Formats: sequence, C-alpha cells, structure tokens
Amino acid sequence: ETGVTQTPRHLVMGMTNKKSLKCEQHLGHNAMYWYKQSAKKPLELMFVYSLEERVENNSVPSRFSPECPNSSHLFLHLHTLQPEDSALYLCASSQDRDQPQHFGDGTRLSIL
Amino acid sequence: EDQVTQSPEALRLQEGESSSLNCSYTVSGLRGLFWYRQDPGKGPEFLFTLYSAGEEKEKERLKATLTKKESFLHITAPKPEDSATYLCAVQAMTDKLIFGTGTRLQVFP
Repeated sequence: ETGVTQTPRHLVMGMTNKKSLKCEQHLGHNAMYWYKQSAKKPLELMFVYSLEERVENNSVPSRFSPECPNSSHLFLHLHTLQPEDSALYLCASSQDRDQPQHFGDGTRLSIL
Repeated sequence: EDQVTQSPEALRLQEGESSSLNCSYTVSGLRGLFWYRQDPGKGPEFLFTLYSAGEEKEKERLKATLTKKESFLHITAPKPEDSATYLCAVQAMTDKLIFGTGTRLQVFP
C-alpha cells in the first residue's frame, strides 16, 4: 500500500462521543499534518508534527487532541465536539516542512 | 497578513476551450507556491511547485507560471477529465502553507 491512508472515511458521532481519526503514510516522510476543510473556506492547518514532535498548533480547541506515536502514524482524538466541527478532516505528509505535501482522502465527520 | 485569493470561483469551459486560473498572493517572504487538484470525495493531489518569479512548470495540458504577485494555471484544450477544483497554496518563511478557496472547473464535452 502506498501514499497516505485515512480511516474511517466517514464518521457520524454525537456531541458527547469520543472517537479517533487515523492517518498512516507509506512515503517515508518526516512531517505530518492535520487540516480541516469546510465548504467555501480555505484549508485550515490544525497541527504539524516534524520527526514525531508537535511543532505547530494553530489555536485549535482542546476538544481536538493529536497524537503522533511514530513517523508513519498520526491520530486525531475527538471529544465533546460541536456541530460546527462537521467538516472534512485531511491528513498530509511531506519529506520536510518545505517540501510538497501529499494528502489522504480525508474523513468526512458529521456531528449530530 | 499573508493571504491567497483565487479567481474565478467557478469556471465552465467547453472541451477544447483554453483558459487560465489566477492565484494572487500576499506573503512575507515566499518560499514556494503550490498547485493542487482536488476531485469530489478525494484529498488534494499535488501538481506543481514554483519557487521564483519567471519559473514555469508543465504537465500534460496544464502549465503553471509565477510572478512576484500572482500565479496562473493555464489549461490548454481541456478535456472533461480535467474537471476538478484547483487549489493554490503559498508557503511563507514560517513554513506554514496558506491555501486559497479554489477554482471549481467544469469542462463539458
């Protein structure tokens, strides 16, 4: 398997649920990213990990909690989300911070 | 403030009708400008990177150019399979990637 793989592809959850999004990259890249994509808005960078260390957190609410256990895997733990958190969540990876990012196909998240 | 603006928001073309998409940017120190293609239900797919004014890149029917204030994605004789949303992103000296809202292209046979 190659590229960036995200699971699940679709997720429906209630506001009080806890769930996790998973991302795996098979490209040997050193940096991984979480983005939020909402309709009619630009992609919003949420978190950046470089060599498994978090290097950027763009004022994301604490109900989103990232985890990077190794250079190939990235998780986004979700807890007590709000309806406005419904969006497409995209994971990306790049060889280094200044190299092109390669994206997965995203998780479509719906909050009831 | 770093900013990326793409125009038009949507573009409808007849097959074979060439056109250009625009990406205007304001950034404090450009490290690179990236073009992506995104199909419905998919993540963005990397197309090109441009690093300096005057640089050009080509891939099949697509050609990207860069000036100090904007980039163009020229589509020559498009086909229906070129229909997608095209995203532009600029990377500032902070390494942060700033995306535009995209141009949704539809090519009709």
